[in-house]
Amino acid sequence: GQQVMQIPQYQHVQEGEDFTTYCNSSTTLSNIQWYKQRPGGHPVFLIQLVKSGEVKKQKRLTFQFGEAKKNSSLHITATQTTDVGTYFCAGRGATNKLIFGTGTLLAVQP
Amino acid sequence: NAGVTQTPKFRVLKTGQSMTLLCAQDMNHEYMYWYRQDPGMGLRLIHYSVGEGTTAKGEVPDGYNVSRLKKQNFLLGLESAAPSQTSVYFCASTRRNTEAFFGQGTRLTVV
Repeated sequence: GQQVMQIPQYQHVQEGEDFTTYCNSSTTLSNIQWYKQRPGGHPVFLIQLVKSGEVKKQKRLTFQFGEAKKNSSLHITATQTTDVGTYFCAGRGATNKLIFGTGTLLAVQP
Repeated sequence: NAGVTQTPKFRVLKTGQSMTLLCAQDMNHEYMYWYRQDPGMGLRLIHYSVGEGTTAKGEVPDGYNVSRLKKQNFLLGLESAAPSQTSVYFCASTRRNTEAFFGQGTRLTVV
């Protein structure tokens, strides 16, 4: 079945450093989404990528969708303490299942 | 703007007891999902529904049943709770190929 893996599982950075999390699917995806979950909260949608090789930016966040539509990445430039949380990718295959990755917990030290 | 509402928010069950978690959405979304979240394991899909009257199994369906009798409601049932079902449960709803909206979660402890 469809599986989505993320690395790293945990990342600790100093405020101002960059951060990247990577997402890999075992199957080709129709689209990929990214979510952020603050401690004690629920996942909140950040963005959706649909096209092969697509790159989107939201302020300091850059999202990429791989050419084969099986991998994706989220890069944060110059992290801030407000970036703390767990970042999840979520992939949709042919069956409309929305499968989440294992998540990357980001800790930012001031 | 209620969005997705889950009830209850917290529950403690004894092993072998049964319970139903209710998810209600007011956005007229076709798709609804139930996930469980455990430390280090992300969000794992239990069951999902692509429309009223339809349900399908996700990644970890054993020990759970679901029903979608009305478009706005998606119920998750535990017939005989086990300690391994201690988790945080999230419901989500979405239109086809769009963002998912999540409820606030239900923290369930089975003792």
